[in-house]
Amino acid sequence: NAGVTQTPKFQVLKTGQSMTLQCAQDMNHNSMYWYRQDPGMGLRLIYYSASEGTTDKGEVPNGYNVSRLNKREFSLRLESAAPSQTSVYFCASSEWGHYGYTFGSGTRLTVV
Amino acid sequence: DQQVKQNSPSLSVQEGRISILNCDYTNSMFDYFLWYKKYPAEGPTFLISISSIKDKNEDGRFTVFLNKSAKHLSLHIVPSQPGDSAVYFCAASALGNTPLVFGKGTRLSVIA
Repeated sequence: NAGVTQTPKFQVLKTGQSMTLQCAQDMNHNSMYWYRQDPGMGLRLIYYSASEGTTDKGEVPNGYNVSRLNKREFSLRLESAAPSQTSVYFCASSEWGHYGYTFGSGTRLTVV
Repeated sequence: DQQVKQNSPSLSVQEGRISILNCDYTNSMFDYFLWYKKYPAEGPTFLISISSIKDKNEDGRFTVFLNKSAKHLSLHIVPSQPGDSAVYFCAASALGNTPLVFGKGTRLSVIA
C-alpha cells in the first residue's frame, strides 16, 4: 500500500546512546516532516524539508538532526539521547502547499 | 505560546447525538485549518479542512465551521458513531504555506 513507512516501530535507548529514525514515502511528495507527540502536548514539529535538498527547524529542534537523503527518504537522528526525548515520533509527507499530510504509523521511543 | 488551542481534553457523547469539538487560534496569519483524526497506535489521518475565505465546509457527517472574527473553529459530527471514538487534532497553517501547527487534541468517546 502507498504511504509513509517508519522504522523501527519501537525502540528503547539508554541515555547518551544515538540512533536514527527512518522514514520513507512512495507518493512522490516534495515535502516531509518530523513531529513528536507527547501526552497533553499534541503534535509538535521538530524539523521539516520543503523539498529535496532543504531542511528547516521546527518548534522543538534541539537534540535532533535530520537528513533528506533523497526525495523519498527523510531521517531523524538523536546524537545523544535524553529521557526528555521519550516520545512517539511521526513522519509525514505532502505536496508543498497542500495540507492533507499523510502520516506514518509512528515510532515509540523510550530513553531510560 | 500555544497558537492553536483545544481546551477540552476529552468529550463523551451518546451514539446518534451530535459531537462538537472546538478549537481556538491566536495567529491572525493562519489562513487554512484542518481536522485530523487519530486512533491508538496509528498515525493521524486527514478528516476535513476549511479555507479562511469560507465559514463552513461539509463532508458527509462532518462539518467544520470557521468564525474568523472570534478566531474559533468547530467540528460537528452528526450523527456520532462508536467508530468516531478517537483523538481529534485541530491544525492550522499560516500564509506562505508554512508547516501545520497542531493543537493538543480532544479525545472523543462515543458511547453506544
